[in-house]
Amino acid sequence: ILNVEQSPQSLHVQEGDSTNFTCSFPSSNFYALHWYRWETAKSPEALFVMTLNGDEKKKGRISATLNTKEGYSYLYIKGSQPEDSATYLCAFMNNQGGKLIFGQGTELSVKP
Amino acid sequence: DAGVIQSPRHEVTEMGQEVTLRCKPISGHNSLFWYRQTMMRGLELLIYFNNNVPIDDSGMPEDRFSAKMPNASFSTLKIQPSEPRDSAVYFCASRQGTNYGYTFGSGTRLTVV
Repeated sequence: ILNVEQSPQSLHVQEGDSTNFTCSFPSSNFYALHWYRWETAKSPEALFVMTLNGDEKKKGRISATLNTKEGYSYLYIKGSQPEDSATYLCAFMNNQGGKLIFGQGTELSVKP
Repeated sequence: DAGVIQSPRHEVTEMGQEVTLRCKPISGHNSLFWYRQTMMRGLELLIYFNNNVPIDDSGMPEDRFSAKMPNASFSTLKIQPSEPRDSAVYFCASRQGTNYGYTFGSGTRLTVV
């Protein structure tokens, strides 16, 4: 069984706050770690695909880091805005096949 | 590109009826995935195809569920007979290769009464 755990489950912050979430995944047989952003009533959209230990990716105010040896990834949002409100999903892919296993997500709410 | 196209967007059916969900992946994407989203279990992978061939169907709940991909531009997920516990949002996604993110369709919200 491949477990992908995300914390916290939900987060409420004020506009302008910086925040971060954690994704933990199996450290063996690693192939890739994905982050997705899922707005209410829409479908998940890919943010990052990370494959190498120590990877850091950035898109605007959002960035992510990856530690494959210990099996965790962090997603950071700098200066949160109300439009950042969404559920952020991480997903793990091992080297045994091409399927993604998703975590339960972190639901972020940013209040103006 | 129109993205991944799913139909219908919403489906309400009676218990025992057959339900068919449809998906058109992005042209050139060689992998297609069917996921089911529920409050209890989040996004669960049901089945995926590489180059139209089913690779892993271990997530298909039971024999009432079947999926086909007759060509590179079309896939179906069929539930026969449907049950109320099948009520969920079903997402289709496609991917260009293993180092790429998935592109999801808008989902089909299925309600079985």
